[in-house]
Amino acid sequence: AQSVAQPEDQVNVAEGNPLTVKCTYSVSGNPYLFWYVQYPNRGLQFLLKYITGDNLVKGSYGFEAEFNKSQTSFHLKKPSALVSDSALYFCAVRDSVNRDDKIIFGKGTRLHILP
Amino acid sequence: DGGITQSPKYLFRKEGQNVTLSCEQNLNHDAMYWYRQDPGQGLRLIYYSQIVNDFQKGDIAEGYSVSREKKESFPLTVTSAQKNPTAFYLCASSISSSSGNTIYFGEGSWLTVV
Repeated sequence: AQSVAQPEDQVNVAEGNPLTVKCTYSVSGNPYLFWYVQYPNRGLQFLLKYITGDNLVKGSYGFEAEFNKSQTSFHLKKPSALVSDSALYFCAVRDSVNRDDKIIFGKGTRLHILP
Repeated sequence: DGGITQSPKYLFRKEGQNVTLSCEQNLNHDAMYWYRQDPGQGLRLIYYSQIVNDFQKGDIAEGYSVSREKKESFPLTVTSAQKNPTAFYLCASSISSSSGNTIYFGEGSWLTVV
């Protein structure tokens, strides 16, 4: 069965510093990986996804993520954090061999950018 | 504007009452989904529909019902059988349910039992 883990409930980063939000996954086939961001009282916004190809994926708002097959990870990164990046971040995975095509979400990581 | 519209944003339910949350999309997407979000538990799938007039139970379907009579609409009814319905409900859609397609979300609806 497919699963996804976000090992950190909260990450604190000083403004201007690089940030990383961690995500690991488990699938039977090939993974399709997604990152979303959620601001308070709002729906989830799509940031980026990995389907195939280049392991480094660039997305919205200057975010990027690196697919690492050997470590089964898909960590979200940004070179220089902004206070406005403070939000809840979700990693999600779909398994290429999963017949019901469900997408599984992690529990979320709350990112605090300190001014 | 293209997108997914959920209404109402806030809804209060009395004990024993059924309530319906609306979800409409004008993205021409085939697949639609309902998720429930509770603090610290991430998103849990309630129901999903891959095509009009067809839908499947998700992981927590008990106490909920849906219909998919039109491509653009996927309303969720929270019945009195759902014993703990207070949560944030998110509707989503994608072009199809194929693995690589992105799921897009509405702005969510808060349901509170009073």
